[in-house]
Amino acid sequence: SQTIHQWPATLVQPVGSPLSLECTVEGTSNPNLYWYRQAAGRGLQLLFYSVGIGQISSEVPQNLSASRPQDRQFILSSKKLLLSDSGFYLCAWSTDRRPYGYTFGSGTRLTVV
Amino acid sequence: GENVEQHPSTLSVQEGDSAVIKCTYSDSASNYFPWYKQELGKRPQLIIDIRSNVGEKKDQRIAVTLNKTAKHFSLHITETQPEDSAVYFCAASIGYPGNTGKLIFGQGTTLQVKP
Repeated sequence: SQTIHQWPATLVQPVGSPLSLECTVEGTSNPNLYWYRQAAGRGLQLLFYSVGIGQISSEVPQNLSASRPQDRQFILSSKKLLLSDSGFYLCAWSTDRRPYGYTFGSGTRLTVV
Repeated sequence: GENVEQHPSTLSVQEGDSAVIKCTYSDSASNYFPWYKQELGKRPQLIIDIRSNVGEKKDQRIAVTLNKTAKHFSLHITETQPEDSAVYFCAASIGYPGNTGKLIFGQGTTLQVKP
């Protein structure tokens, strides 16, 4: 069966520190992968999506970046965190067969202090 | 750019009453409209969806209606129960060429069902 793993679950980081959040998918090949951010009391904002290894599309210009070093691995990074980067980060995947059938990971709650 | 507006932002109902959440979308090429339920601190989970070739879909106590002309769709929950309390998100597919599968989400509605 297909599963998605996202870690860490919670993270407290100082301003200016680097960030690395990881997401992996099991049980499927060549998934579409997404990073969303949910700020407090707000909706889900699409940050990045990827349709294949090394293919990253950015939706919102910011100090975050994403990489897909392997078919089922999606990484969200930052060199220097800002206070405004705080939020709930969700990874999601879908397939070409059901491109809009998202399955979300359990999320990472990031607090930048 | 593409946008999805969702109302109300908060909704409080008595147990047993109905709840309605409304969304409007801007991209006329959108053809898929899912609804997600997110319980506190958990991941969003798909509860119902509708495609643009259908006007209404029902699954037990929940139903979704779509008006393509007006570009709005609604979630209806009947006979609400305390366990329906959660944040609900609507979404619309982005009609870009190719099958990128991108969704634009509404701002969310916090539903509280009072016992």
